[in-house]
Amino acid sequence: GAVVSQHPSRVICKSGTSVKIECRSLDFQATTMFWYRQFPKQSLMLMATSNEGSKATYEQGVEKDKFLINHASLTLSTLTVTSAHPEDSSFYICSAREKWGGEQYFGPGTRLTVT
Amino acid sequence: QKEVEQDPGPLSVPEGAIVSLNCTYSNSAFQYFMWYRQYSRKGPELLMYTYSSGNKEDGRFTAQVDKSSKYISLFIRDSQPSDSATYLCAMSWSLMDSSYKLIFGSGTRLLVRP
Repeated sequence: GAVVSQHPSRVICKSGTSVKIECRSLDFQATTMFWYRQFPKQSLMLMATSNEGSKATYEQGVEKDKFLINHASLTLSTLTVTSAHPEDSSFYICSAREKWGGEQYFGPGTRLTVT
Repeated sequence: QKEVEQDPGPLSVPEGAIVSLNCTYSNSAFQYFMWYRQYSRKGPELLMYTYSSGNKEDGRFTAQVDKSSKYISLFIRDSQPSDSATYLCAMSWSLMDSSYKLIFGSGTRLLVRP
């Protein structure tokens, strides 16, 4: 299957700082990328969908000014958590699919801890 | 009622058993079905993708879709301790970029005992 990478895998930051998470599709062109959040023992919660070159579409209840998403190329999307607070601590997972592709592939996830 | 229902488990089976994991859905517009495996603290891994009713086999895994009953299953033969993970079903009604969205079940935790 296709490979999606994520960096960093784990990050600890202080409250009030910003953190950037990168997501890359390594062997395919991802016209659409997704960002999810997952709490312990819960399913995935879609935060936003981004198509290359377009603004991201955020799910209801997700603050677009807090979670900045950029999908600048067909292989790279970034999620920036701005002015992070302890309640933003979570497991963030990106995902990607090719245009018209049925399969959606996930990255390994990034564990964010805000102290 | 959730769009996709999945028993959270946990499901505990002895090594070598046949495992049956199931999801039901309410929206008859769903056309594309996937099963993912997620190990603790890892991203989901795509196991099976299918878009037609019937069975699809890949190694020890068989995905079954019954659109008339709005029911999908994943069977694991000769289960191994390494199969212990959470299994997520997911489905979509469209492949068009403008309307594509995966709807997930809550996941079933599987434990295969040695």
